[in-house]
Amino acid sequence: KAGVTQTPRYLIKTRGQQVTLSCSPISGHRSVSWYQQTPGQGLQFLFEYFSETQRNKGNFPGRFSGRQFSNSRSEMNVSTLELGDSALYLCASSSTSGMGEQFFGPGTRLTVL
Amino acid sequence: DQQVKQNSPSLSVQEGRISILNCDYTNSMFDYFLWYKKYPAEGPTFLISISSIKDKNEDGRFTVFLNKSAKHLSLHIVPSQPGDSAVYFCAASKKGGGADGLTFGKGTHLIIQP
Repeated sequence: KAGVTQTPRYLIKTRGQQVTLSCSPISGHRSVSWYQQTPGQGLQFLFEYFSETQRNKGNFPGRFSGRQFSNSRSEMNVSTLELGDSALYLCASSSTSGMGEQFFGPGTRLTVL
Repeated sequence: DQQVKQNSPSLSVQEGRISILNCDYTNSMFDYFLWYKKYPAEGPTFLISISSIKDKNEDGRFTVFLNKSAKHLSLHIVPSQPGDSAVYFCAASKKGGGADGLTFGKGTHLIIQP
């Protein structure tokens, strides 16, 4: 089975721009979660989608949004980028919603200048 | 407020010896715990998990111990191998998942010395 894939792997943007990141989960997995990893804060939960519905949401501003398509692929969007949004964005998929083992993609490294 | 804490940012262990990584949590609602391993430029890889109804779970060289009364869990790797050098994250989730997804510690960088 192919693993979780994320595109692009690297991205450079400037403040004020917006960005869309993409995640394709493991085949058959219906849950996709997004995390932000920074050196200071570690891995922080952004949100989770299950069967095209946002099930859970972490403590991030409304500039961070996402969606899931009928094929379980998910996108994450960040609008009005700030310098502090520079981070590794990780996507994880699992067969169930919420708790349980999650399988991570390699991440998208976003740099905001 | 950090709900999952890994107090050792790094740990150095000799090859062949036991590596013990520790994790403490504060939220008594957590009832499922996981360990992930992360190499540079890769996403975390699931290693082993334990439910709060157990106090031990083994998988090959990896054993996780859970002490609910102390809100403490540990990962034992025996024997340690060079390929075990990586950052290890402890994670926890609440019953039913809840609004927080997985809550991660900040990681411990394990270095296996030859």
